[in-house]
Amino acid sequence: DQQVKQNSPSLSVQEGRISILNCDYTNSMFDYFLWYKKYPAEGPTFLISISSIKDKNEDGRFTVFLNKSAKHLSLHIVPSQPGDSAVYFCAASGMNRDDKIIFGKGTRLHILP
Amino acid sequence: NAGVTQTPKFRVLKTGQSMTLLCAQDMNHEYMYWYRQDPGMGLRLIHYSVGEGTTAKGEVPDGYNVSRLKKQNFLLGLESAAPSQTSVYFCASTDASYNEQFFGPGTRLTVL
Repeated sequence: DQQVKQNSPSLSVQEGRISILNCDYTNSMFDYFLWYKKYPAEGPTFLISISSIKDKNEDGRFTVFLNKSAKHLSLHIVPSQPGDSAVYFCAASGMNRDDKIIFGKGTRLHILP
Repeated sequence: NAGVTQTPKFRVLKTGQSMTLLCAQDMNHEYMYWYRQDPGMGLRLIHYSVGEGTTAKGEVPDGYNVSRLKKQNFLLGLESAAPSQTSVYFCASTDASYNEQFFGPGTRLTVL
């Protein structure tokens, strides 16, 4: 039973436009959500996070939105750049120190020239 | 700082052989994790450790063992490799489970 779902395996977006990556979760105990970016042949790297007390967190071109009632979060990238082409993983965790992070299956983003 | 390093980067094993993957971190993190990544499956947690001398099972622990004898090292062992263990293995560490995890570059393992 997937607790963190990324239902779009891939997404193609024109350079300069907005990329929107979606993520749904089922566990209402999750309090903290993260996005990771992964290039081929490299380990994932942290991108941005949000705690459940907020509904938006922004860092430069990246904004994460959280809708707790819908158990849904999204990552917006504006404007999209060629270097944004990567696999993006959504992840969720509780706020206890020993809670595990659960990852989604990832969405491959292609930025088209 | 080197961050999180993994040894080796690549390995090919025959069915039934054993091997140990080494993960080292120089950030004094308490928490360390081993994941495997397979096509279409995302990152799945194999085993993790919340401190030196402690280990716990993750989502897919069967066929693997781990040890955390030193805070900076987390070893993943395969006692008798199977083709189903062909995967890319990532190690990660963090100072608290809900904070960002720092990942190593991965080990690509093929079991024939």
